[in-house]
Amino acid sequence: KAGVTQTPRYLIKTRGQQVTLSCSPISGHRSVSWYQQTPGQGLQFLFEYFSETQRNKGNFPGRFSGRQFSNSRSEMNVSTLELGDSALYLCASSPAPPNTEAFFGQGTRLTVV
Amino acid sequence: QKEVEQNSGPLSVPEGAIASLNCTYSDRVSQSFFWYRQYSGKSPELIMSIYSNGDKEDGRFTAQLNKASQYVSLLIRDSQPSDSATYLCAVGTYNQGGKLIFGQGTELSVKP
Repeated sequence: KAGVTQTPRYLIKTRGQQVTLSCSPISGHRSVSWYQQTPGQGLQFLFEYFSETQRNKGNFPGRFSGRQFSNSRSEMNVSTLELGDSALYLCASSPAPPNTEAFFGQGTRLTVV
Repeated sequence: QKEVEQNSGPLSVPEGAIASLNCTYSDRVSQSFFWYRQYSGKSPELIMSIYSNGDKEDGRFTAQLNKASQYVSLLIRDSQPSDSATYLCAVGTYNQGGKLIFGQGTELSVKP
């Protein structure tokens, strides 16, 4: 069974640009969550989608947005990039939370210069 | 007070010893608890989940949950150098959907 696939693996962007990251969950999983990981803040929850609906959102500015498609694939977008957005962005998929295990993709390493 | 707290470490144990990793959480309605292992430069890998009070064993790993004390731990028996990684505790709450709150992680170093 294929795992969670995130693309691209690495990105370098300039301040002020926008970026779109993609996540394909494990087949059959309907929930996709996004996290930001930085050395200083650790893993922080961005948002979660289930059946194309955003069910929960973390404490991030409106520049961070996402969506989920009918095939459960998800994208997140960051507009007007700032240097502080440099981080590892992780996607996790679950069968049907709550209380179910979440499996992470390999992540997208975003560097903003 | 942080929602999920772990000792940052590093925790250093000799090969073959038991490594004990601890985690406390602040939200009493938390219902699901997970341990992830993260090697440097890699993404977190789920190694244990626990939902009920008591112990849950899987190979060399044992997760322990005490909801009254709001405490969850991970024991690694017969520690190997390949166990050297950062261990992340994650907590989920029923009314938060799939949201997990992570601790800062404990760095474990197993010395040959």
